[in-house]
Amino acid sequence: EVQLVESGGGLVQPGESLRLSCAASGFTFSSYWMHWVRQAPGKGLVWVSRINGDGSSTNYADSVKGRFTISRDNANNTLYLQMNSLRAEDTAVYYCAKVNAYHFDSWGQGTLVTVSS
Amino acid sequence: QSALTQPASVSGSPGQSITISCTGTSSDVGSYNLVSWYQQYPGKAPKLKIYEVSKRPSGVSNRFSGSKSGNTASLTISGLQAEDEADYYCSSYAGSGTWVFGGGTKLTVL
Repeated sequence: EVQLVESGGGLVQPGESLRLSCAASGFTFSSYWMHWVRQAPGKGLVWVSRINGDGSSTNYADSVKGRFTISRDNANNTLYLQMNSLRAEDTAVYYCAKVNAYHFDSWGQGTLVTVSS
Repeated sequence: QSALTQPASVSGSPGQSITISCTGTSSDVGSYNLVSWYQQYPGKAPKLKIYEVSKRPSGVSNRFSGSKSGNTASLTISGLQAEDEADYYCSSYAGSGTWVFGGGTKLTVL
């Protein structure tokens, strides 16, 4: 059974940094593209970033480009999202998701990031 | 990277059918048969219901079906049940390694 467990969320002030983690199990982690998707409180889903199986290719939404960095550790089956220069509008639940072709077939439970002074 | 357009809410009575639309552009929905649909209960993670416009993952009820015409995709739920009450999101590959989601539709079963 696929399991994705996010951690690392919390309350930070504007301009600060935070690193999210997503521990994966139940599948061959290194064989799959992985994504981050976020959801602001009471709002819809927004795609954030993706990374390929060996970590050599990444893509980002315009809203986070230059501030967020996605990475992975295949030895430890863990996905990361380094978030710098955080803004109030980055406040959201962040989900990691496994992709099969072009659809998100497994999701974690999410971790809440709150950016507020 | 503008969000796909979905109605904010739809409703139906048990046993009826409802359809949720998802309108994008020629750069996303119109260019790729890579639209997927997700069901989300409050406080829970989304769950895949339809992928590649009209395909159902194993275990998803055949009451859920998808289609696409031009820049608009649709999710139809037939034989509406109380357990179908949730938020529904469409998503499309948007090219250049990016994805876009719809704003979400709240389905109420009357």
